[in-house]
Amino acid sequence: DQQVKQNSPSLSVQEGRISILNCDYTNSMFDYFLWYKKYPAEGPTFLISISSIKDKNEDGRFTVFLNKSAKHLSLHIVPSQPGDSAVYFCAASNYNQGGKLIFGQGTELSVKP
Amino acid sequence: ETGVTQTPRHLVMGMTNKKSLKCEQHLGHNAMYWYKQSAKKPLELMFVYNFKEQTENNSVPSRFSPECPNSSHLFLHLHTLQPEDSALYLCASSQSGGVVTYEQYFGPGTRLTVT
Repeated sequence: DQQVKQNSPSLSVQEGRISILNCDYTNSMFDYFLWYKKYPAEGPTFLISISSIKDKNEDGRFTVFLNKSAKHLSLHIVPSQPGDSAVYFCAASNYNQGGKLIFGQGTELSVKP
Repeated sequence: ETGVTQTPRHLVMGMTNKKSLKCEQHLGHNAMYWYKQSAKKPLELMFVYNFKEQTENNSVPSRFSPECPNSSHLFLHLHTLQPEDSALYLCASSQSGGVVTYEQYFGPGTRLTVT
């Protein structure tokens, strides 16, 4: 049973517009959520995170929103740039599990000039 | 070298071969991880080491054998693999301790093909 799901395998957005990547989870014990970006032939790189005590965290063009009641988080990228084209993974963790991360399947974002 | 490095980057091996994957982290972290990423699947955690001690074995077949001689180095020894073991193997590290941090830093991965 997959605890973290990214239901959109791909997303295509025009440069300058907003990209919204979504992630759902089933385990209400998760208390920390992260987004990673992965380019081909490279390992995932940490992008942004959010604790369950918050509902929003912003870092430059990247904002993560958390809706605990819906068990849903999203990553907004504004404005989108061609260099943002990559696979984005969301991950969730629980303090009591010592930081073990559960990953979603990933969403491939393509930002077109 | 900075960050997390992995060697080799690509590996092709037969089912009867024995090979090892190497990971080294230059971040001063004390936790290291092996993940497997198969096509169109989420990253699957295989092993976790905290302070050189294995703290997680995620039901991984014994044909995969990890080794962590110190907090900076992690190996994955491979023997008698199956074609379905072909995947991208990723190493990661993080700092863990009294104040838990969850950000893991990944290496570039080893693309393994079993023939």
